[in-house]
Amino acid sequence: QVQLVESGGGLVKPGGSLRLSCAASGFTFSDHYMTWVRQAPGKGLEWVSYISSTSHSKQYADSVKGRFTISRDNAKDSLYLQMNSLRAEDTAVYYCARDGRSSSTCYSDWGQGALVTVSS
Amino acid sequence: EIVMTQSPATLSVSPGERATLSCRASQSVSSNLAWYQQKPGQAPRLLIYGASTRATGIPARFSGSGSGTEFILTISSLQSEDFAVYYCQQYNYWYTFGQGTKLEIK
Repeated sequence: QVQLVESGGGLVKPGGSLRLSCAASGFTFSDHYMTWVRQAPGKGLEWVSYISSTSHSKQYADSVKGRFTISRDNAKDSLYLQMNSLRAEDTAVYYCARDGRSSSTCYSDWGQGALVTVSS
Repeated sequence: EIVMTQSPATLSVSPGERATLSCRASQSVSSNLAWYQQKPGQAPRLLIYGASTRATGIPARFSGSGSGTEFILTISSLQSEDFAVYYCQQYNYWYTFGQGTKLEIK
């Protein structure tokens, strides 16, 4: 079955950096777009970024553009999110999600999430 | 940005009854609309995509309808495991979620 396991979350000071990883299994990772979605404590869902299956296309929400970088390693079935210049408002659970095959659409499978806390 | 507005914010329904959740888009999203269910401490789960197609393994009591700007998620006979928060998401132009509807036991 599809499994997505995030890691790398934690407590970081404002202005700091963190790198999230998502290990995928149970499907052909290189066939799918992949997406990061976040959820602030007690709040709703917010799309963060997606990456195409070949890494050719990447897009970001305005709230993270220029600070976050999405990447993937198809040889390792892994997705990454490099987060720099972190702010308090970036505090959230970050989910990686399996996206469509030919474009980014909706998310058929989700990881359990990684909590990122930005606080001094 | 396309704004997705869900109503009501909270819906109280008895087990075995029907629940109807609404989602409105600020502009047309065609049928590029998905519904997710989220239980406390868990990741969201995809229920419906393409406004009306059930995702793999989703029971038939869940149905979606609508197109353009108005969408409905119907749960025909509520089971205890259905009480959760439900989100709609449009993927017609970028990606935005509604604020959620909490479905609680009456």
